[in-house]
Amino acid sequence: DSGVTQTPKHLITATGQRVTLRCSPRSGDLSVYWYQQSLDQGLQFLIQYYNGEERAKGNILERFSAQQFPDLHSELNLSSLELGDSALYFCASTTGTSGHNEQFFGPGTRLTVL
Amino acid sequence: EDQVTQSPEALRLQEGESSSLNCSYTVSGLRGLFWYRQDPGKGPEFLFTLYSAGEEKEKERLKATLTKKESFLHITAPKPEDSATYLCAVRPLYGGSQGNLIFGKGTKLSVKP
Repeated sequence: DSGVTQTPKHLITATGQRVTLRCSPRSGDLSVYWYQQSLDQGLQFLIQYYNGEERAKGNILERFSAQQFPDLHSELNLSSLELGDSALYFCASTTGTSGHNEQFFGPGTRLTVL
Repeated sequence: EDQVTQSPEALRLQEGESSSLNCSYTVSGLRGLFWYRQDPGKGPEFLFTLYSAGEEKEKERLKATLTKKESFLHITAPKPEDSATYLCAVRPLYGGSQGNLIFGKGTKLSVKP
């Protein structure tokens, strides 16, 4: 158990819909990262937050957005869903932003878009 | 462009048959190289961090090494419970992102009893 929690574990929805994925980092960690894992692309970095502020963006679509709240939990919002958005979504947390610390991953949310 | 390539894509071993997994990387500068283990449907589990060429780290049957262009994960006398996908990731020193990891596609290891 990494100490990072994610809900829900599974999510099934239809094209065009909007969903929210939730992540609670390890106690004391200020940085949260979101990743998408699909069969053909592997793990792809989406976005990073540190202590409530956006710090870095990766291959995140404009239909996707995220935020980190004062209690440090984070939410990833996916809208106008398409079939290709079906994937595993992971969040990871670490203590700082220097890049020297390992990231600890949550168990993931499996999103299926029908 | 920063890139991570892992080989082989899949590896089948008999229990006790030692082998190595390769991770080749191209980055503008290396802040760190990370190895993770991932079981099906679960999140990656952290194994090792390596920071500089020549560094080695060990944990049970696993040993990770690092050169200036690649890293190896050596598995000695593997057991069936070592079956998993092993992911390699790098954190570039330079660039616009801060701290995010660039992952390879992984090596799927199967160890048969």
